Amino acid sequence: GAVVSQHPSRVICKSGTSVKIECRSLDFQATTMFWYRQFPKQSLMLMATSNEGSKATYEQGVEKDKFLINHASLTLSTLTVTSAHPEDSSFYICSAPRQHGQPQHFGDGTRLSIL
Amino acid sequence: GEDVEQSLFLSVREGDSSVINCTYTDSSSTYLYWYKQEPGAGLQLLTYIFSNMDMKQDQRLTVLLNKKDKHLSLRIADTQTGDSAIYFCAETRPGSGYSTLTFGKGTMLLVSP
Repeated sequence: GAVVSQHPSRVICKSGTSVKIECRSLDFQATTMFWYRQFPKQSLMLMATSNEGSKATYEQGVEKDKFLINHASLTLSTLTVTSAHPEDSSFYICSAPRQHGQPQHFGDGTRLSIL
Repeated sequence: GEDVEQSLFLSVREGDSSVINCTYTDSSSTYLYWYKQEPGAGLQLLTYIFSNMDMKQDQRLTVLLNKKDKHLSLRIADTQTGDSAIYFCAETRPGSGYSTLTFGKGTMLLVSP
């Protein structure tokens, strides 16, 4: 069964809205979670590493103020797309390893569509 | 060039074997992974291999690693229509703490009845 749960699975909203996406580890504690973005027919692009109890580490070119990450507990990381615009429309996926150095398990992704 | 490269498309008939290939550039790669993505879904971990292994078999899946040529392959025996999906090859490296994944662009596998 799933070990990482992502919610919601699909969001459609108007331009200027802020959207929050949740990523939960279901039966383990995840001190580190990862957020990816995937464009149609393309690979996954790592956006940031979410660290429990500390600031997220963002990849080069990813705007921190645009994509707010909060990892307030050992089982939950959230990604908030602030003031979303049509160019932010994409498939966002989170992942977490059960333990450091172990394979990552992925959520089912969130399809974000900004009108 | 790209760090991880894959062929983009593979078409097979149901019951045949499928072989998806991947090449990578970093000789320090530690773990190499195969993930499956069905339309509109997240990634499902299929299997992985440590860099000091040559082969790993898990039911219908066989992973072969040629470290000298930096070549990884995934063989699916008795391919079924439910195997149609995009398959991603990925690697981790020591400097990344073994967690940061570098993905290939994915191979779309189409299985016809």
